[in-house]
Amino acid sequence: NFMLTQPHSVSESPGKTVTISCTGSGGSIASNYVHWYQQRPGSVPTTVIFDDNQRPSGVPDRFSGSIDSSSNSASLTISGLKTEDEADYYCQSYDSSNQNWVFGGGTKLTAL
Amino acid sequence: EVQLVESGGGLVQPGGSLRLSCAVSGFTFSSYWMSWVRQAPGKGLEWVANIKQDGSEKYYVDSVKGRFTISRDNAKNSLYLQMSSLRAEDTAVYYCARDDSSGFHYWGQGTLVTVSS
Repeated sequence: NFMLTQPHSVSESPGKTVTISCTGSGGSIASNYVHWYQQRPGSVPTTVIFDDNQRPSGVPDRFSGSIDSSSNSASLTISGLKTEDEADYYCQSYDSSNQNWVFGGGTKLTAL
Repeated sequence: EVQLVESGGGLVQPGGSLRLSCAVSGFTFSSYWMSWVRQAPGKGLEWVANIKQDGSEKYYVDSVKGRFTISRDNAKNSLYLQMSSLRAEDTAVYYCARDDSSGFHYWGQGTLVTVSS
């Protein structure tokens, strides 16, 4: 089965750029789109990137997504980091072998 | 305005059953796949199950197969999750979400299920 692995936590200073990785195993990350969610404490997840690199309306262009087939991974990059970006971030994709959605384990982002 | 409102959570003993509901408004419910996603206390998101627009296809994560049943009533704009043989590890907030090919853009606020004696 397809699995997605994320670092448990990342931290960076406000104003800097941070990248959160999402590595696929048991299949190709490029086989299906990757989506990213932000979840602030006590809140419901919201989409920050869909279809690998698309931003929903209302999400600032400081958020971007990419896929790297060579490393079988997806990345969420946040530039000009703000303290309000502190949250848990989850990647998600689809496992075509069993028609299951798959979430990564989540990454806690701290803006020091 | 899109709204998804879950209900039916609560405290249940191990081995017990519970039925969750999700009332939907603000979009044409019968046109979309729907999913249940759960989040154990302090843990990450876990997709649980989804159901096709007409209910003809249903898929489940391995850990709930044979114990949980997803269903829907398009006339009532409602999604359900029947949970049985509940275990402590099923303790979580359960969210319903609209299941688009481009991800889950609409979520409910969640309902807490606690499995404990």
